Amino acid sequence: QSVLTQPPSASGTPGQRVTISCSGSSSNTGTNSVNWYQQLPGTAPKLLIYSNNQRPSGVPDRFSGSKSGTSASLAISGLQSEDEADFYCAAWDDNLNGPVFGGGTKLTVL
Amino acid sequence: QVQLQESGPGLVKPSQTLSLTCTVSGGSVSSGSYFWAWIRQPAGKKLEWIGRVYTSGSTYYNPSLKSRVTMSIDTSKNQFSLKLTSVTAADTAVYYCATLTWKVARMDVWGKGTTVTVSS
Repeated sequence: QSVLTQPPSASGTPGQRVTISCSGSSSNTGTNSVNWYQQLPGTAPKLLIYSNNQRPSGVPDRFSGSKSGTSASLAISGLQSEDEADFYCAAWDDNLNGPVFGGGTKLTVL
Repeated sequence: QVQLQESGPGLVKPSQTLSLTCTVSGGSVSSGSYFWAWIRQPAGKKLEWIGRVYTSGSTYYNPSLKSRVTMSIDTSKNQFSLKLTSVTAADTAVYYCATLTWKVARMDVWGKGTTVTVSS
């Protein structure tokens, strides 16, 4: 059982907007910022969103993040076929004194 | 731009020690800009943080693995390393090295990953 809870799957059609949720607790998402990682098939995770809603250079503005309380969300607008991937949320956990990850959400573009 | 590359045996026998190295290019392990981390991912499963080492050699490990993990840094080779003792099949995973910003779970740069299988 993951420390951070994500839905196992999400889907949408090209052009649609999809959101992926991430729920934690007071020791992680409730106190610390949330980061999102995209893992394309057979590749390493890639930082997609940091500090709840900041995009690293090169990440399209179709990707956005938000956080409220102990929950966070990743939104993908204008869905494209190349967005098909696994998405993981992560946050610092004050009890672990290290990063914890969600179980991952597999995004399918129909 | 920092790049990372994992290396090490792809097959380890049960009860033996898993040893991996991460070679840093485009930057220096001595820079102090990051902590250097190891993360693993069993097939079809979520990511698990193993621990981190800093340029000073200070380490911090996931408590769930602490008794079996040792990390070190070699500034002369611009590398950092992971040793995991007494491995079992449960340690079979893709192992990634990554940069880590402490206290914010931000991992900007990842290696491509190396698959380690524990089997006799």
